[in-house]
Amino acid sequence: AQKITQTQPGMFVQEKEAVTLDCTYDTSDQSYGLFWYKQPSSGEMIFLIYQGSYDEQNATEGRYSLNFQKARKSANLVISASQLGDSAMYFCAMREVWAETGNQFYFGTGTSLTVIP
Amino acid sequence: DTGVSQDPRHKITKRGQNVTFRCDPISEHNRLYWYRQTLGQGPEFLTYFQNEAQLEKSRLLSDRFSAERPKGSFSTLEIQRTEQGDSAMYLCASSWSGGMEPQHFGDGTRLSIL
Repeated sequence: AQKITQTQPGMFVQEKEAVTLDCTYDTSDQSYGLFWYKQPSSGEMIFLIYQGSYDEQNATEGRYSLNFQKARKSANLVISASQLGDSAMYFCAMREVWAETGNQFYFGTGTSLTVIP
Repeated sequence: DTGVSQDPRHKITKRGQNVTFRCDPISEHNRLYWYRQTLGQGPEFLTYFQNEAQLEKSRLLSDRFSAERPKGSFSTLEIQRTEQGDSAMYLCASSWSGGMEPQHFGDGTRLSIL
């Protein structure tokens, strides 16, 4: 089974609107971390936001927030007030603390976001 | 903090040749990871070092792949007898060892096999 599933290959959003990128995960660990990365066309992976499995509050970083629903095993990224520079690939990733491969980060297949002026 | 540096940015080689990539992590980071990313996919874990010790290798990693981090600083990834399927972006990332620290990635090395 896939550890991380991103079901939206491509998304479009109007500039200044909000957009939600979906991510579901699969783990039997109680302790894990969820991460979102942005990859512009230039190729570098940029860390955006982190959510720990024990965190009760949803993580926020500027215009980014993470909608964490533990029972549903979802960790959706919300980008508010989209900007043209937000056009990029977005990857959801997970690290399981206690798993045998606890130092591995598992990445989804990504969502390509295009911001329309 | 000068970021994670990878060299070269691009490598074109003929099938059957050996190639070596270098990664210089952020200096304070003791963890170093190698990933492979093909078009339309997310990064796929290859191997991981803590200091100079290689602690994990992907079961998918062919014997033609070897990685070293001799002094716990920079790392090299070598691919022997390259094949067409090795064409990909090879990403290096580093992080602190404490807690759930995010990984910081380099710009990657794009390998093309002719």
